[in-house]
Amino acid sequence: GNSVTQMEGPVTLSEEAFLTINCTYTATGYPSLFWYVQYPGEGLQLLLKATKADDKGSNKGFEATYRKETTSFHLEKGSVQVSDSAVYFCAPRGGGSYIPTFGRGTSLIVHP
Amino acid sequence: DVKVTQSSRYLVKRTGEKVFLECVQDMDHENMFWYRQDPGLGLRLIYFSYDVKMKEKGDIPEGYSVSREKKERFSLILESASTNQTSMYLCASSLALIFKTRQTNTGELFFGEGSRLTVL
Repeated sequence: GNSVTQMEGPVTLSEEAFLTINCTYTATGYPSLFWYVQYPGEGLQLLLKATKADDKGSNKGFEATYRKETTSFHLEKGSVQVSDSAVYFCAPRGGGSYIPTFGRGTSLIVHP
Repeated sequence: DVKVTQSSRYLVKRTGEKVFLECVQDMDHENMFWYRQDPGLGLRLIYFSYDVKMKEKGDIPEGYSVSREKKERFSLILESASTNQTSMYLCASSLALIFKTRQTNTGELFFGEGSRLTVL
């Protein structure tokens, strides 16, 4: 089955700092890769996705590149804001299954 | 705007009670899911359904059952609630994956806002 490893949090940053949240995965076949975000008190929502090797997903200033050779999909943002404080989940979906495998989530706290 | 609606945001129940968590989606999605979310454990899949009246066990189905009588509605049932079922419950839906043309959709899940259940 698929598995995913995310860096543990919480990650605490000052506003305008650079963010990286690491994600590595194992999956059969050619997985699609997702980052979901959960803001306080809400459900998860899709942040960005990439469906094939070397694709870059991007949204709201966040980016992640599908690295097949290193089986990674690290999330980055050049300048975080307080409003980015949330929990971020990496979730590969592969092997012909429509069910993604979720990482344990990384909490991001951004201070003014 | 697409939507997954969970009937209750907060519930407090007593040990042994029967609990129903309801989820409705308006996107005509084939697949529906129930997860529970606990600190340090992330999301764990309880049950999923890929069609009306069809259900499959996820990773932690013990103590739960589900019902899918209509395409848009997926219910999670706790037959006899216990304190270790205190958790946040998340419902999600997605389009079916078409195996012959696997790029038809990317399998994005749409989530409800969650139901926080406390069992006393």
